[in-house]
Amino acid sequence: NAGVTQTPKFQVLKTGQSMTLQCAQDMNHEYMSWYRQDPGMGLRLIHYSVGAGITDQGEVPNGYNVSRSTTEDFPLRLLSAAPSQTSVYFCASSQTGGFTEAFFGQGTRLTVV
Amino acid sequence: KNEVEQSPQNLTAQEGEFITINCSYSVGISALHWLQQHPGGGIVSLFMLSSGKKKHGRLIATINIQEKHSSLHITASHPRDSAVYICAVNTGNQFYFGTGTSLTVIP
Repeated sequence: NAGVTQTPKFQVLKTGQSMTLQCAQDMNHEYMSWYRQDPGMGLRLIHYSVGAGITDQGEVPNGYNVSRSTTEDFPLRLLSAAPSQTSVYFCASSQTGGFTEAFFGQGTRLTVV
Repeated sequence: KNEVEQSPQNLTAQEGEFITINCSYSVGISALHWLQQHPGGGIVSLFMLSSGKKKHGRLIATINIQEKHSSLHITASHPRDSAVYICAVNTGNQFYFGTGTSLTVIP
C-alpha cells in the first residue's frame, strides 16, 4: 500500500515549456486534489476531482489543466510554464471531500526559469 | 481574506514545555484537520475533528464549533516535534489552509 505517489520530486523548466506532474493513489479514494505552496502563504487549491471523469477548479486554476480518467490517477499539466508557477506542488487524496482523512504526496519542487 | 488564521507564526520552546497553537476559521466546515510538515517537506495528517477533543500520544486537539476555533497542544515537547503545523478546514469539496506555525524545540 503506497498511499499517494507524486512524481517528480524536483523539476526545472524553462519559460514556455510544458510538463505533467503525476499523482497516483492506491486507496480507491474518490477525492483527489492539487495544491501549490508558496512562502508566507497557506496551501492553495488548484484543481480537484470528486471521482473519475469529474474535475473542478479551485482557488488558483489559471495555467493548469487536469483530467481524471481513472480513480487512481490525477495528473496536473502546465501548458506553458511561467516563472509565477515556481512553487512546491502537493497532490492529496481522501475517501470523499467531506469528513475523511487526507493523505498527501511528498511534493514536487518546481522552478521555472 | 483568509478563511483560516493561525497563531503564532513562529514558536520556539525548550524541551519539555507545553505548547499551544491556535487556529480560527471563518467558514462553515465539515471537518478541521491538523497537519504536520517536516523540513523534508512531506505533509502528514495528525488529527481530523468535527467536534470535541482528540488525543494521540502527547498531542491533543480541540475544537469549538460555536467559536470557530481549534487548538493543538503538545505536552512535554521534544526536539523531534520541530516542524510546521498547519490547520486546514474542509468545507465539503474544498480545503482551506492556514499559513502554518513553525515550531522549534530546543534541547
